[in-house]
Amino acid sequence: DSGVTQTPKHLITATGQRVTLRCSPRSGDLSVYWYQQSLDQGLQFLIHYYNGEERAKGNILERFSAQQFPDLHSELNLSSLELGDSALYFCASSVAAGTTEAFFGQGTRLTVV
Amino acid sequence: QKEVEQDPGPLSVPEGAIVSLNCTYSNSAFQYFMWYRQYSRKGPELLMYTYSSGNKEDGRFTAQVDKSSKYISLFIRDSQPSDSATYLCAKGTNFGNEKLTFGTGTRLTIIP
Repeated sequence: DSGVTQTPKHLITATGQRVTLRCSPRSGDLSVYWYQQSLDQGLQFLIHYYNGEERAKGNILERFSAQQFPDLHSELNLSSLELGDSALYFCASSVAAGTTEAFFGQGTRLTVV
Repeated sequence: QKEVEQDPGPLSVPEGAIVSLNCTYSNSAFQYFMWYRQYSRKGPELLMYTYSSGNKEDGRFTAQVDKSSKYISLFIRDSQPSDSATYLCAKGTNFGNEKLTFGTGTRLTIIP
């Protein structure tokens, strides 16, 4: 167990809908990262928050947004969902803003039908 | 060209064999290299990380980095069926706004 908690584990929703994925980082970790893993694209970095502040963006669509709250948990919001958004979404956390020893959660499997 | 290239395999070896997994990278502006193991339907698990060229050993695992040729390797000695997983190499930097850039992963099966 990495200590990073993601909920829900599975999510099935229809196209056009909006969902929120939640991540609780390991105790003491200030950085949260979101990744998308699909069969054809591999593991892709989406966004990084450090202590509530957005630090870096990767290939994140405009329909997607995230935030990190004062208690350091983070949420990834996906809207106007399309079939191609079906993927595993992982959250990772680390102590510092750098990515040494980032620990991953078990992921949320999103299926858009 | 992708920043991190990794042979996707699949790779099958008999139990007890030495496994060699390899990645190449194209961007020199980074410091850290990592190897993650991912079991099916699970999150990636950090195996090893290293900062510099040379070898780093941890039990049956050895990570090797050659910065001159931009080549990173993971060796697994005395491979076990429990080592069957997808292995992902990754690179990162430490300038405060980093992200990990992953290879596509190599699927490894250890045959009993």
